[in-house]
Amino acid sequence: GEDVEQSLFLSVREGDSSVINCTYTDSSSTYLYWYKQEPGAGLQLLTYIFSNMDMKQDQRLTVLLNKKDKHLSLRIADTQTGDSAIYFCAESRPNQAGTALIFGKGTTLSVSS
Amino acid sequence: KAGVTQTPRYLIKTRGQQVTLSCSPISGHRSVSWYQQTPGQGLQFLFEYFSETQRNKGNFPGRFSGRQFSNSRSEMNVSTLELGDSALYLCASSLAGSPTNEKLFFGSGTQLSVL
Repeated sequence: GEDVEQSLFLSVREGDSSVINCTYTDSSSTYLYWYKQEPGAGLQLLTYIFSNMDMKQDQRLTVLLNKKDKHLSLRIADTQTGDSAIYFCAESRPNQAGTALIFGKGTTLSVSS
Repeated sequence: KAGVTQTPRYLIKTRGQQVTLSCSPISGHRSVSWYQQTPGQGLQFLFEYFSETQRNKGNFPGRFSGRQFSNSRSEMNVSTLELGDSALYLCASSLAGSPTNEKLFFGSGTQLSVL
């Protein structure tokens, strides 16, 4: 299909790890992104991974990419209540005119203390 | 460095009216993209401007239009508003809008309500 798919909700306890999954569609996508949106705010770029990489780590965040299965995941270690937000996966989809980002519908992460 | 600034923050209009939203990108950024965010459809790409030219366009009707000025500031216009146009409109800027690397920086959005 045309869509970037994500599960809608994830609930974890403070201190646990969170894993948010995403499947994308376009094998020609060169970059894949994770954005975070807090209530009443725009999207904040968290991290991104180039399509020729399998893994990228950035402090508490680990991105895993399985290009064969077109599967992307974001792991947040030691999840805190401040991590509660909506997380969007996005792929860059080139076309003749340029590139648009195609977003998933977002995963709402709820962290309980 | 100031971030992406969108004005107004909130807007209420009635069906049939038109609306103009404004976006000032991060200083030095030349590409501005617009997205519509709704609970049902999520984030959908509207269009992208680079050096005052529309370079990329999503699947929205012609009632949605935009432009970019020489200082990279952009405006988006929606004419003949419909109830379904109620949404959060997000603007994002990037340095040059490379075809292979779109690191977008988003504003806080304009929440449009159509009554």
